[in-house]
Amino acid sequence: AQTVTQSQPEMSVQEAETVTLSCTYDTSESDYYLFWYKQPPSRQMILVIRQEAYKQQNATENRFSVNFQKAAKSFSLKISDSQLGDAAMYFCAYRSEGSARQLTFGSGTQLTVLP
Amino acid sequence: GAVVSQHPSWVICKSGTSVKIECRSLDFQATTMFWYRQFPKQSLMLMATSNEGSKATYEQGVEKDKFLINHASLTLSTLTVTSAHPEDSSFYICSARKGLAGTDEQYFGPGTRLTVT
Repeated sequence: AQTVTQSQPEMSVQEAETVTLSCTYDTSESDYYLFWYKQPPSRQMILVIRQEAYKQQNATENRFSVNFQKAAKSFSLKISDSQLGDAAMYFCAYRSEGSARQLTFGSGTQLTVLP
Repeated sequence: GAVVSQHPSWVICKSGTSVKIECRSLDFQATTMFWYRQFPKQSLMLMATSNEGSKATYEQGVEKDKFLINHASLTLSTLTVTSAHPEDSSFYICSARKGLAGTDEQYFGPGTRLTVT
C-alpha cells in the first residue's frame, strides 16, 4: 500500500516571502499522480497543483510550483510571494494509475501567513 | 469548473437516529464517488468508494451496516449514518470523479458537519 508522509505539521511564512512544504511517499509503482490540495477554514478542498509521475518537468501554477524527485520519492510544494489567502491546511496526495485510483492523503501541513 | 454539492452542510441529530447526507455532481456525470471522514486537524480518511449502480467498496474498519452508501445515479450518492452515536460526530466529505482515465480530476464537495448528541 502507498503511504504519504508530511513531516511538517505546521509552517509559517511572512507575507510576500517564499515557503516550501515537504512531502514524501512510498510506492512500488512507476505510474502515478501526485497532488497538493489546499483546505482553508471553510473546509472546501481545493486542488492546487498536480504532477504526473511520467513527466520529468516540474508542474507550476502561477505562484505554486513543485519539486518532484521521483527517485527520492519526494514531492515538495513551493509557494512564492505568499499571500494571506494562502493560509490553510495543505495536503499532499498520491493516486495510483492502476485500478484502485483513490487518493491517499498525507497528514497535512497547517500553513500560517504572517502579515 | 466541475461542482460537487453536499446537503446538508450541518446537521445535529440525537443518538440512535439515522441521518442521510446527499452528494451531487451538478454539472457532470460521476462514474465514481468517494466518501471521506475527517476529524479536527486531521487528514481525510477514505470510508468507501462507490460506482453508479453497484455496491460500494468499503475501506477496512468501516462498518458497512452503519454507513450505508447508495450511488443511485451518475449525479447522486447518499451516505446514511444509521443509529448514530456521539463518536460518529465528524466532518464528512464526498468527492466525485468523471471517469476512469488517470487524467480525470476528483472534485470535492464542501463537506457536512455531523454532530450527534
